[in-house]
Amino acid sequence: KQEVTQIPAALSVPEGENLVLNCSFTDSAIYNLQWFRQDPGKGLTSLLLIQSSQREQTSGRLNASLDKSSGRSTLYIAASQPGDSATYLCAFLPGTASKLTFGTGTRLQVTL
Amino acid sequence: DVKVTQSSRYLVKRTGEKVFLECVQDMDHENMFWYRQDPGLGLRLIYFSYDVKMKEKGDIPEGYSVSREKKERFSLILESASTNQTSMYLCASSLQDGYEQYFGPGTRLTVT
Repeated sequence: KQEVTQIPAALSVPEGENLVLNCSFTDSAIYNLQWFRQDPGKGLTSLLLIQSSQREQTSGRLNASLDKSSGRSTLYIAASQPGDSATYLCAFLPGTASKLTFGTGTRLQVTL
Repeated sequence: DVKVTQSSRYLVKRTGEKVFLECVQDMDHENMFWYRQDPGLGLRLIYFSYDVKMKEKGDIPEGYSVSREKKERFSLILESASTNQTSMYLCASSLQDGYEQYFGPGTRLTVT
C-alpha cells in the first residue's frame, strides 16, 4: 500500500523567506501528484498537478517537482507571505486507480 | 472555474438519525468522491462514483451509503448516525480518472 510522508509536520518562517515542503512516497508507480492547501475549517484548494511524465510544474510563486526514482516531491514557495499560512497536503494517484492517497500535511505559518 | 458545493457548512444531528449530505458540481465531471477528515488520521475515502448510478467503496464505507441519480449530484447517506461519525466531510470531483480533483468547502457534522 502506498505510504505518503510529509516532513516537517509544522513549519514557522518569517515573511519573505523561500521555503521547501517535502513529500515522500513508497511506490514509484504513480499516475500523477497533486498539491493542495487547506485553510482551517475549510475545504482543499488544488495548487498544482504534476503528471508522472513531468518533472515539475509552476504557478506564480509556487513550484512543485517530482522525482519518481527517489520517491520524492517538493513544493517550493518563493517570497512567502502571511497569506500563505495554511496546511499543505500532497496526494498521489496510483497508476491503476482513481483513488488519491494523501499525506498528513505540513502546517505552515508565515509570520510578520 | 470549477465549483463544488456542499449543502451545509455545519450540521448537528442526534444519534440514530438518518443524515443526508449533498454535493453538487457544475463542470460535467464524471468522477465524484466523498472523504472524511479527522485529526491525526488525515483524509480517508468513503465512496466514489465514476458515472451516474455507479459507485465504488473506498477505504471506510461502513455505516455509509451513497446515491448518484444525476451526474452533477452525489449524496452521502448516514443510515443511522453515530457519535463516531462526527467529522469533517469533504466532497470532490474530477473530469475523469487521472485528472485534477476539486474539493468543496466541507461539512462539519456533529453527532450528539
